Amino acid sequence: SYDLTQPLSVSVALGQTATITCGGNNIESKNVHWYQQKPGQAPVLVIYRDSNRPSGIPERFSGSNSGNTATLTISRVQAGDETDYYCQVWDSNTAVFGGGTKLTVL
Amino acid sequence: QVQLLESGGGLVKPGGSLRLSCTVSGFTFNDYYMYWIRQAPGKGLEWVSHISSRGDSTYYADSVKGRLTISRDNAKNSLYLQMNSLRTEDTAVYYCARLRGFVDYFDYWGQGALVTVSS
Repeated sequence: SYDLTQPLSVSVALGQTATITCGGNNIESKNVHWYQQKPGQAPVLVIYRDSNRPSGIPERFSGSNSGNTATLTISRVQAGDETDYYCQVWDSNTAVFGGGTKLTVL
Repeated sequence: QVQLLESGGGLVKPGGSLRLSCTVSGFTFNDYYMYWIRQAPGKGLEWVSHISSRGDSTYYADSVKGRLTISRDNAKNSLYLQMNSLRTEDTAVYYCARLRGFVDYFDYWGQGALVTVSS
């Protein structure tokens, strides 16, 4: 099975840039999708296919994928960005999720 | 607009059964693969099962194989998850989700249905 590794938590000062990583073996060969999940709510797609932003998602959210690491970057972090983020890929016709990262805004 | 609405969650004893439903609107249901994804309390997201657009192919996580059965009724725009022989570790919020395209992203999710397995 394919494993995705995310840091349990990331902290960032208000207005600064947050970087959340998602590690996997040769992950650059896969399309990586990112979801934001606020407490008590369903996940919401924020980045699809490595670096594409759905309509309605602020330009502050961006993504990249290279080597064994995919990255979600949130610029000019706001208090409302403080929540959980999950990466997701496909492996052998199975959706695989990372363990999730809690973003804390200081 | 696209909507997915789960129902059928609740409290059940270990070994018991429950049936979840997901009723959709706002899109052509039989054009899409559909998924069940769960989230145990305080934990991450876990793929449970999915079904092809016509319902002729189904897939399950090893942790639920033989106990949970996914199905769909395209005439009723509905997705189902029959849950038998439930275990305490099946306690979770169960989301139905629409897959955008083949091995692509989940673009719409339901609000979730809580299933609690406890004696």
